[in-house]
Amino acid sequence: AQRVTQPEKLLSVFKGAPVELKCNYSYSGSPELFWYVQYSRQRLQLLLRHISRESIKGFTADLNKGETSFHLKKPFAQEEDSAMYYCALRRNTGNQFYFGTGTSLTVIP
Amino acid sequence: EPEVTQTPSHQVTQMGQEVILRCVPISNHLYFYWYRQILGQKVEFLVSFYNNEISEKSEIFDDQFSVERPDGSNFTLKIRSTKLEDSAMYFCASSAYTSVDTQYFGPGTRLTVL
Repeated sequence: AQRVTQPEKLLSVFKGAPVELKCNYSYSGSPELFWYVQYSRQRLQLLLRHISRESIKGFTADLNKGETSFHLKKPFAQEEDSAMYYCALRRNTGNQFYFGTGTSLTVIP
Repeated sequence: EPEVTQTPSHQVTQMGQEVILRCVPISNHLYFYWYRQILGQKVEFLVSFYNNEISEKSEIFDDQFSVERPDGSNFTLKIRSTKLEDSAMYFCASSAYTSVDTQYFGPGTRLTVL
């Protein structure tokens, strides 16, 4: 079975400080990992996915298969980064996503 | 930019009643999904739909649930006889055939079962 774990429900950092939102997964196959973000009163939207190896809004995430992790990082947090962040896994068969419970990030001015 | 839309934004119903949640996916998308999020819990997959049939469903999606694409634009989720535990936020999503892994989510419908 597959599982996505986000150990931090709440995370607060000061503006300009580095931020790391943790995501661990368990899946026996080769997963695809994603980060979705939900800003206040807005819909879930894709932030980034590991296969793209891209940086979006200054965020990066590296898939570490040895540690089964896909942590989201940003070197300098901004106030507009305050949002709910969800890590999600897609198996190599099928289209459904398995979401973590989410981390609420607050960037303190 | 095209978006997935959902109606209503909030639905209140009595236990045992039938509800239909509506979604309009992005027009050129071919895969459609329903997810739900019970308050304080994770977003959970319910069902995916492609080519006018269910392609995947989770254990949550039992006989009380059904989905339909009644016309060329709407995608609906029906709950036949609602239970208190069906109270949740229901999200519709869609993805294009060429990028099935990028799912675009609607704003959600909050269902409250009394």
